[in-house]
Amino acid sequence: DVVMTQSPLSLPVTLGQPASISCRSSQSLVYSDGNTYLNWFQQRPGQSPRRLIYKVSNRDSGVPDRFSGSGSGTDFTLKISRVEAEDVGVYYCMQGTHWPPWTFGQGTKVEVK
Amino acid sequence: EVQLVESGGGLVQPGGSLRLSCAASGFTFSNYWLSWVRQAPGKGLEWVANIKEDGSEKYYVDSVKGRFTISRDNAKNSVYLEMNSLRAEDTAIYYCARRRTMDVWGQGTTVTVSS
Repeated sequence: DVVMTQSPLSLPVTLGQPASISCRSSQSLVYSDGNTYLNWFQQRPGQSPRRLIYKVSNRDSGVPDRFSGSGSGTDFTLKISRVEAEDVGVYYCMQGTHWPPWTFGQGTKVEVK
Repeated sequence: EVQLVESGGGLVQPGGSLRLSCAASGFTFSNYWLSWVRQAPGKGLEWVANIKEDGSEKYYVDSVKGRFTISRDNAKNSVYLEMNSLRAEDTAIYYCARRRTMDVWGQGTTVTVSS
């Protein structure tokens, strides 16, 4: 199984400042079709998860452009250019290249300092 | 509006059974894979199972193989998760999600396995 490792697991942030979350996979996530199936999800307190980013860098509809995804192979990053109060929550990466199973990272908790 | 609504959760004793349902609306249900994902109390997300558009392919996480069965009824726009031989470690919020890439999620239904 592909293991997804996120860091840090806790990220205290200052509102208006940037934030960055790393996600590393135990194998390359490049699929045979050339795509890389790495997604990012946000889970606000008390809410269901919400997909933010798919295939490394594609923002879902309605996702603010302060969120961006990047990376390749085994190393990926989610960046928030300027953190807002509504961004507090837990962020998960997930791979959909080597399945089954589809595997998530442990989650990174973003909180305001 | 695209929507997924789970139901069927509850309190069940170890070894018991439960059937979860997920009703979809706002999209052509029969064109999409559907997934079940769970979240144990205070823990992260774990993919549980998913099913192809026509039900011809089904996949499960190892920990539920032989105990859980995913199915769907495209005429009723619904996907189901039949859970047998439940264990304490199956206690979680169970979400259904659209696609293998989980682009839309329901609100979840809570399953508690306890005596």
